[in-house]
Amino acid sequence: NAGVTQTPKFQVLKTGQSMTLQCAQDMNHNSMYWYRQDPGMGLRLIYYSASEGTTDKGEVPNGYNVSRLNKREFSLRLESAAPSQTSVYFCASSEGVAKNIQYFGAGTRLSVL
Amino acid sequence: AQSVSQHNHHVILSEAASLELGCNYSYGGTVNLFWYVQYPGQHLQLLLKYFSGDPLVKGIKGFEAEFIKSKFSFNLRKPSVQWSDTAEYFCAVIGNTGGFKTIFGAGTRLFVKA
Repeated sequence: NAGVTQTPKFQVLKTGQSMTLQCAQDMNHNSMYWYRQDPGMGLRLIYYSASEGTTDKGEVPNGYNVSRLNKREFSLRLESAAPSQTSVYFCASSEGVAKNIQYFGAGTRLSVL
Repeated sequence: AQSVSQHNHHVILSEAASLELGCNYSYGGTVNLFWYVQYPGQHLQLLLKYFSGDPLVKGIKGFEAEFIKSKFSFNLRKPSVQWSDTAEYFCAVIGNTGGFKTIFGAGTRLFVKA
């Protein structure tokens, strides 16, 4: 049982390049999330998907897009990367949004030069 | 807007010392409260949670937290820390409006000296 799997684990981009971070969960969870973690700021919600077919903005959605491809997969796309997007990105999933424990992936460390 | 404040960003303790990490939130309605922990090199994982009922909740590894509604607080405690408790601790809040978004605090890095 892998839980939440994120790819890639590390990535270096040049300013203006695009990339997609992939996330898949095998727990049959309804809800999925993308966070970024920056020093001194904790985790900030970028986007989330309460259920298959829905996506909503979190605290810091600018510069990102998401796709809930199916119940298992939730991808995060940076269309034109900026140095301010250098961060560690975490995907998480839960059964539902209100009371459920979130299970996190291992994270993707992204550097934008 | 909802917010979560963790007052201590870095804490250094010796083994066997007692621990209390503060967490305060701003939200007027019903909340669900969590503490997550990130051990070095590991995923974030749940330490404990509070939804309703007894305001003193116990979690894994001897941790507990107390919800004080009047103070909008959910402080984490452990009577005697171990070196293996070295980690980053995050308080999180889900309010019952606004799409049930999870708001995390900035985190507290705990270092326990052996």
